[in-house]
Amino acid sequence: DQQVKQNSPSLSVQEGRISILNCDYTNSMFDYFLWYKKYPAEGPTFLISISSIKDKNEDGRFTVFLNKSAKHLSLHIVPSQPGDSAVYFCAASTRRTDNFNKFYFGSGTKLNVKP
Amino acid sequence: KAGVTQTPRYLIKTRGQQVTLSCSPISGHRSVSWYQQTPGQGLQFLFEYFSETQRNKGNFPGRFSGRQFSNSRSEMNVSTLELGDSALYLCASRQGVNTEAFFGQGTRLTVV
Repeated sequence: DQQVKQNSPSLSVQEGRISILNCDYTNSMFDYFLWYKKYPAEGPTFLISISSIKDKNEDGRFTVFLNKSAKHLSLHIVPSQPGDSAVYFCAASTRRTDNFNKFYFGSGTKLNVKP
Repeated sequence: KAGVTQTPRYLIKTRGQQVTLSCSPISGHRSVSWYQQTPGQGLQFLFEYFSETQRNKGNFPGRFSGRQFSNSRSEMNVSTLELGDSALYLCASRQGVNTEAFFGQGTRLTVV
């Protein structure tokens, strides 16, 4: 059951422009969302997260937007740099309990930032 | 602070064999999770351990098993290897229940 979906396998953007990566989820119980970046031959690196009590979280060039009614989140990278070229995974989880809730990951979007 | 360490980085095994992968979490992190990454499938959750107890389990056959030791280090075992088990196996650790996970570099397993 694919509860987190990234429908765009790849995205190509010119350096300096905005990159927008999208993610949809189906489980309304999810209240914690994360983005990870992965370079080849490396493990995913945590980028940014957002709790469902917010609709936006910013960290430098990275901003995550959450639309709970649409069950949609997006990652904006402004301005995009060639070093941002990587695979980006979104993930979702439930934080409402004190139990360890697993992360559900999307299938990833490969971002290519052209110089 | 050292990151998550996985050994070995690369493995080649024959069908039918078994394999053990190792993961040392970030110091102070007591939760360790394992994921399988295959092309186009994203990260598929295998299981998570905390305080030597399995807390969560994904939808993988019983050939996939794991354990965690008292020092929080974890091992994952796959028995009777199949060609389809070829993948990147990632380990992640986290400090608490509601925190982000930090990943190791992974072990690339190739089954021939």
